[in-house]
Amino acid sequence: AQTVTQSQPEMSVQEAETVTLSCTYDTSESDYYLFWYKQPPSRQMILVIRQEAYKQQNATENRFSVNFQKAAKSFSLKISDSQLGDAAMYFCAYRGDGGYGGSQGNLIFGKGTKLSVKP
Amino acid sequence: ETGVTQTPRHLVMGMTNKKSLKCEQHLGHNAMYWYKQSAKKPLELMFVYNFKEQTENNSVPSRFSPECPNSSHLFLHLHTLQPEDSALYLCASSQARGDNEKLFFGSGTQLSVL
Repeated sequence: AQTVTQSQPEMSVQEAETVTLSCTYDTSESDYYLFWYKQPPSRQMILVIRQEAYKQQNATENRFSVNFQKAAKSFSLKISDSQLGDAAMYFCAYRGDGGYGGSQGNLIFGKGTKLSVKP
Repeated sequence: ETGVTQTPRHLVMGMTNKKSLKCEQHLGHNAMYWYKQSAKKPLELMFVYNFKEQTENNSVPSRFSPECPNSSHLFLHLHTLQPEDSALYLCASSQARGDNEKLFFGSGTQLSVL
C-alpha cells in the first residue's frame, strides 16, 4: 500500500525568506501524481502544485517549486519570498495513475506540516 | 466563492441524534467526494460518487450514509455516531475524466459528537 510521510509537524519562516517542506512516499507504481495542498484557517484545501511522476522537470508555480527525486521517493516543496498569507497547514498527497471516473479524488495524504510566517 | 459550498459549518450532536451534512457544487463537475479529517491523522477518503453513482466506499461504518441525488448535490447522513467520529468533514468535486482535472474542496463541516 502507498504511504505518504511528512516528518516536520511544524515549521517556521521569516517573511521574505525561503522555506522547504519535506515529503517522502512509498509506492511500487511507476506512474503516479504528487500534490501539495494548502489548508489555511478557512479550512478549504487549495491545490498549490502538482507533479507527474513521468516528468523529470520539477513543477513550479510562481513562488512555489518542488524538488522531485523519483528514485529517492522524495517530493519537497520550496516556498520563496514567504508571505504572511502563506501561513497554513501544508499537505503532501499521492495519487496513482487511475484515469477512470472519479479517480481524481483517490488521494493518499500525509499528516501535514504547519507553517508559521514571522513578520 | 470556492464553487463548493458545505453546510452547516459547525455541528454538535449527541450519539442518538440523526443529522445530515450538505455539499453543493456550482462548477459543473460530475464526481463528488467525502473526506474525513481527524486531529493528528491524515485526510481519509470516505466515499466517491461518479455521475451520481457510488463508485467507492472505503470501509466506512454504516452509521455514515451518503446520498447523491444529482451531480451538484451530495449529502452525508449521520446516525448513532460515536465520539471518535468527531472530525472535520470535507466535500470535494472534480470532472470524472482526465488525470489533469483538479479537485475543488469546500470549507468543511466541523462535527462534534457528545
